[in-house]
Amino acid sequence: GQSLEQPSEVTAVEGAIVQINCTYQTSGFYGLSWYQQHDGGAPTFLSYNALDGLEETGRFSSFLSRSDSYGYLLLQELQMKDSASYFCAVRDQGFKTIFGAGTRLFVKA
Amino acid sequence: SQTIHQWPATLVQPVGSPLSLECTVEGTSNPNLYWYRQAAGRGLQLLFYSVGIGQISSEVPQNLSASRPQDRQFILSSKKLLLSDSGFYLCAWSESNYGYTFGSGTRLTVV
Repeated sequence: GQSLEQPSEVTAVEGAIVQINCTYQTSGFYGLSWYQQHDGGAPTFLSYNALDGLEETGRFSSFLSRSDSYGYLLLQELQMKDSASYFCAVRDQGFKTIFGAGTRLFVKA
Repeated sequence: SQTIHQWPATLVQPVGSPLSLECTVEGTSNPNLYWYRQAAGRGLQLLFYSVGIGQISSEVPQNLSASRPQDRQFILSSKKLLLSDSGFYLCAWSESNYGYTFGSGTRLTVV
């Protein structure tokens, strides 16, 4: 079967660093991406990794290890507005992308 | 710049009634288009995708259907809604397939 596993909830304090992990098992792999979704809103694209290593975009970084079928999203200098759900997603084959169930991030003052 | 429009934002429909959700994309040509559904507090489930006019791939057998009558128009339909069709419906497009741009979504409640 195809599955993406990520923690259901993570809590951190403002200004801290938080890492959201994602492990995947899919029939194919063409890249791991991350999305942010605030309550009531649509997901917005954050980052994409096709090759092993770290990609940095401002306060957000994303890492991929294809040999371990594992990736993570790193959020630095957390702000209250970062409270949201974060989804990892794998483009497994063709034009299909499969999403994880999401990690709810709570940022406390 | 590219934009994606999805409407309506919210919809309350009785069981057994028909459904039509529309999505249009501007500022791009021949986009890959997708319909996803999200249950409350859950991830996104791929329903349909289309790589061109009239080309529809279905991922989940159910009482929903999709059509792409024009290059930048994607429609999700049902002849008779079920209670289980309630959810947050999201249209998305991509050019490169590694990053999706989502519409603002339609929150459907079947009563």
